[in-house]
Amino acid sequence: DAGVTQSPTHLIKTRGQQVTLRCSPKSGHDTVSWYQQALGQGPQFIFQYYEEEERQRGNFPDRFSGHQFPNYSSELNVNALLLGDSALYLCASSLGGTVNAKNIQYFGAGTRLSVL
Amino acid sequence: QQPVQSPQAVILREGEDAVINCSSSKALYSVHWYRQKHGEAPVFLMILLKGGEQKGHDKISASFNEKKQQSSLYLTASQLSYSGTYFCGTDSKGNTPLVFGKGTRLSVIA
Repeated sequence: DAGVTQSPTHLIKTRGQQVTLRCSPKSGHDTVSWYQQALGQGPQFIFQYYEEEERQRGNFPDRFSGHQFPNYSSELNVNALLLGDSALYLCASSLGGTVNAKNIQYFGAGTRLSVL
Repeated sequence: QQPVQSPQAVILREGEDAVINCSSSKALYSVHWYRQKHGEAPVFLMILLKGGEQKGHDKISASFNEKKQQSSLYLTASQLSYSGTYFCGTDSKGNTPLVFGKGTRLSVIA
């Protein structure tokens, strides 16, 4: 059973550039959430996609946007990169929309983004 | 309202026990525990729902005190494989975004 997969594993960009990160959820899962994890910190929620729509959003600027495809895979886009965007970006998948109140998240290994 | 974890770091010898605490300032629906090894994905350990339950598997268990909005993770007879950073994530209403603590780094040495 394939778990959550993310690509690429590492990425180096310069300030002002744009980046796209990709995520394939665990088999059978239909909800994808994105988190930013700074060094030495816990994951911080960016947004969640369900039924191809952004359902919930954390405290992140509009430079962060996303998309979910009919096969439930998802992309995270970040525009106008800043040095402070350097972090590990984690994707997590879960099952069910509002029905699944347990909200158990299964994480991928992440994409390490470095902005120079 | 990020939950507060304590201690920040702990070093154990194989076979010793440890307790990691997670406290929130707001009412919680559930507490989730994860372990993350360096360079790897956070791995789900267990979820505790409001109602003050306790659960566990193998030698790792946890409790949730709803009145205190506090959860504790208990690791008994620690093994080298227990090393990693433990995070608690809190959900205030059920299916709301998880808010994670800063983590507790656990190192088990031989």
